[in-house]
Amino acid sequence: QSALTQPASVSGSPGQSITISCTGTSSDVGGYNYVSWYQQHPGKAPKLMIYDVSKRPSGVSNRFSGSKSGNTASLTISGLQTEDEADYYCSSYASSASLVFGGGTKLTVL
Amino acid sequence: EVQVLESGGGLAQPGGSLRLSCAASGFIFSSYVVSWVRQAPGKGLEWVSGINSGGDTTYYADSVKGRFTISRDNSKNTLFLQMNSLRAEDTAVYYCTKSPMLTHFDYWGQGTLVTVSS
Repeated sequence: QSALTQPASVSGSPGQSITISCTGTSSDVGGYNYVSWYQQHPGKAPKLMIYDVSKRPSGVSNRFSGSKSGNTASLTISGLQTEDEADYYCSSYASSASLVFGGGTKLTVL
Repeated sequence: EVQVLESGGGLAQPGGSLRLSCAASGFIFSSYVVSWVRQAPGKGLEWVSGINSGGDTTYYADSVKGRFTISRDNSKNTLFLQMNSLRAEDTAVYYCTKSPMLTHFDYWGQGTLVTVSS
């Protein structure tokens, strides 16, 4: 149950697009289409943004999109807005009926 | 409106025990997988444990296996986490979450803080 690998930080200007990567192994990200992404603002509970690699829950902006290639999943945020500044975590179902998270990425909107 | 409210957090000594509860409302509790996810101060998220809708199948992270026990009471819409043999590294905010399957977490509570210290 090793953590997935995410960049510690990414940044972008309002209106730009950014992508956050999430790298695992064939036992988690690469083996299942069950990657999810969470947004967490300081002092708040996480919020589901993407599930099953690329599905958006009701109410989540279509500026958020997800994809996967091999053992790496990605979250793309287009048309960056100041309120997107937050920590983002990926998660994947893994073998042995467990779930594993990435270490988190701090998004700064400059 | 979906609501989950965690309780039971607090200060415990190393080797001690705590029991967390999560009271759910606004959805059909007995139809969902429910899980605990924790976050150590200033750190990332860690899945701890999950339980299927019927309560007869449980799942644990290696870090808590043998020490923590998850259970649910569908008649009272409540999830529990019995934490024994607590260690300093168990110090974290513990979130109660729900999901249709043990593949993601579609709603999170506000969390309850557990501090393990002498």
